[in-house]
Amino acid sequence: DTGVSQDPRHKITKRGQNVTFRCDPISEHNRLYWYRQTLGQGPEFLTYFQNEAQLEKSRLLSDRFSAERPKGSFSTLEIQRTEQGDSAMYLCASRPGTSNTEAFFGQGTRLTVV
Amino acid sequence: TQLLEQSPQFLSIQEGENLTVYCNSSSVFSSLQWYRQEPGEGPVLLVTVVTGGEVKKLKRLTFQFGDARKDSSLHITAAQTGDTGLYLCAGHNQGGKLIFGQGTELSVKP
Repeated sequence: DTGVSQDPRHKITKRGQNVTFRCDPISEHNRLYWYRQTLGQGPEFLTYFQNEAQLEKSRLLSDRFSAERPKGSFSTLEIQRTEQGDSAMYLCASRPGTSNTEAFFGQGTRLTVV
Repeated sequence: TQLLEQSPQFLSIQEGENLTVYCNSSSVFSSLQWYRQEPGEGPVLLVTVVTGGEVKKLKRLTFQFGDARKDSSLHITAAQTGDTGLYLCAGHNQGGKLIFGQGTELSVKP
């Protein structure tokens, strides 16, 4: 399968634990995006990369969130000291670097913090 | 901060009716895209509009980009139950950042 792949699909964790999610974009897509989505709402921008460079991080994102894309291919999103309010679907998308191109989404990682 | 405001947030209609969803911003975007999302899946692209005033049609769906490239609309003619889903507008800025509106949950009843 050559689509965007996210792992795991579901994660249940206890409050205070750290979690890490992985995204494998479509190969040769140099732009990679992370979003958070709650039920019935649009995806909320978290951060994005061009190759390995993190171009922007949402000001709404606390210091507990960090993302990396060390070799410009896969990316990881880590949440430290999880809180119940972190429960959401975390979506990853990738697209070519040329203007106005389609973003392809993974199926997301659903996080539940108990 | 660039924001996209979608309206209405919820829409429940009968099969066969027409509807329009709006996406507005105070910012100019280099392009706007419309996505549709099913439960448990990621959004899937419907269309990209790039030129101010542009109109694109996709079967019963008509998309329009405002002349100033700050707003867009999605019109569905003779809605069908299969049109049910979450419709999202998304804007690209010059730097390549992609942001989404809050979404419109459409329910088409038989």
